Amino acid sequence: AQSVTQPDIHITVSEGASLELRCNYSYGATPYLFWYVQSPGQGLQLLLKYFSGDTLVQGIKGFEAEFKRSQSSFNLRKPSVHWSDAAEYFCAVGDLNSGYALNFGKGTSLLVTP
Amino acid sequence: SAVISQKPSRDICQRGTSLTIQCQVDSQVTMMFWYRQQPGQSLTLIATANQGSEATYESGFVIDKFPISRPNLTFSTLTVSNMSPEDSSIYLCSVENRLAGGESGELFFGEGSRLTVL
Repeated sequence: AQSVTQPDIHITVSEGASLELRCNYSYGATPYLFWYVQSPGQGLQLLLKYFSGDTLVQGIKGFEAEFKRSQSSFNLRKPSVHWSDAAEYFCAVGDLNSGYALNFGKGTSLLVTP
Repeated sequence: SAVISQKPSRDICQRGTSLTIQCQVDSQVTMMFWYRQQPGQSLTLIATANQGSEATYESGFVIDKFPISRPNLTFSTLTVSNMSPEDSSIYLCSVENRLAGGESGELFFGEGSRLTVL
């Protein structure tokens, strides 16, 4: 069965520290991979996406993610976290066979401390 | 990018009533999706709505409970029927930005409609 796993429900980092949010997937086909961010009371905003090509993807707000096929992972990283990065982060996976309906992970809530 | 407007942004509803959520997009799109985000949970796809055809529902969701209309390429509605407290959720409309050549693009989301059922 297709699935997306975000192992960390909550993560707390200090402002200025580096961040890595984990995402693992189980898909039969080559997936399309996405990271979305949801700030409190806001809709979802796309941070970055991977379809093919270079496995290191750059996104907005200084985020990047690396697709590792051998590990079935698509972890999100940021070298230096800002207080405004506090939000809920969702990894999502889709493929052509699903008609482009995305399968979302349960999300990771990021708290940034001073 | 697509700009998506949802109405209402939030509402408080009584048990047993029905509410229709509207989704308006600023450009023509082929595929529109309705997601549900229950409190503290991730997003779950309810159905895919394509213009000119019946909506396709995911497992666990049925047309009688969540009827959907898609009268044109820029508009869709989702009705939550005979509501119960378990229907308290954020309902999100999303559209696909399909790239040239048919390659799938990203999903754009509306800001959601937060429903509380008493």
